Amino acid sequence: EVQMVQSGPEVKKPGESLKISCKGSGYAFGTYWIGWVRQVPGKGLEWMGMIYPGDSEVRYSPSFEGQVTISAVRSITTAYLQWNSLKASDTAIYYCARLPGGTDWFDPWGQGTLVTVSS
Amino acid sequence: QAVLTQPSSLSASPGASASLTCTLRSGISVGTYTIFWYQQKAGSPPQFLLTYTSDSYKRQGPGVPSRFSGSKDASANAGILLISGLQSEDEADYYCMIWHNNAVVFGGGTKLTVL
Repeated sequence: EVQMVQSGPEVKKPGESLKISCKGSGYAFGTYWIGWVRQVPGKGLEWMGMIYPGDSEVRYSPSFEGQVTISAVRSITTAYLQWNSLKASDTAIYYCARLPGGTDWFDPWGQGTLVTVSS
Repeated sequence: QAVLTQPSSLSASPGASASLTCTLRSGISVGTYTIFWYQQKAGSPPQFLLTYTSDSYKRQGPGVPSRFSGSKDASANAGILLISGLQSEDEADYYCMIWHNNAVVFGGGTKLTVL
């Protein structure tokens, strides 16, 4: 069974750094893109970017480029989403999801990681 | 103007059909895009439902019932998710998605209420 399992909820203060994870299992990790999607509570879905673990190629949404860093470690089948300096507006649920191809659908999705940024 | 526009809410009765629209911005033609649909139930991550490019090119997500289907309305420049035989378990938020200029774009979502 293909699964994406994300790290647990985080509570941080503005200005702090954070790295959340997404572990893929049940498939050849290096041969599928993994995307990240943000959802502010009560709001819609926003695509942040994606990574191809096979060669670490990363594509960012213009809205998020420079705001976050997407990475992956193929040997432990894990992708990451990282912030250097969090803002209160980063408070959201972050989902990872696998894409069968470069311009395909997201499936399956991780369970989501709630990040709360508050002073 | 947003790239994809969805009505914020829709209500329908059990057993009826619901047609959820995803309208593309003027200047971009629905005929040239594959529309992807997702369902998100309260407190859960989104789940892939189906893709629709044409009647010849469409894909149902794993385990998705056939009462969920996709289509396009070229005159309205819109993708459509049709849910027939509505059940209470279909109550959820539904999002459309396209790839536009090598980037993912989501619609704002439609909250479907079954009552």
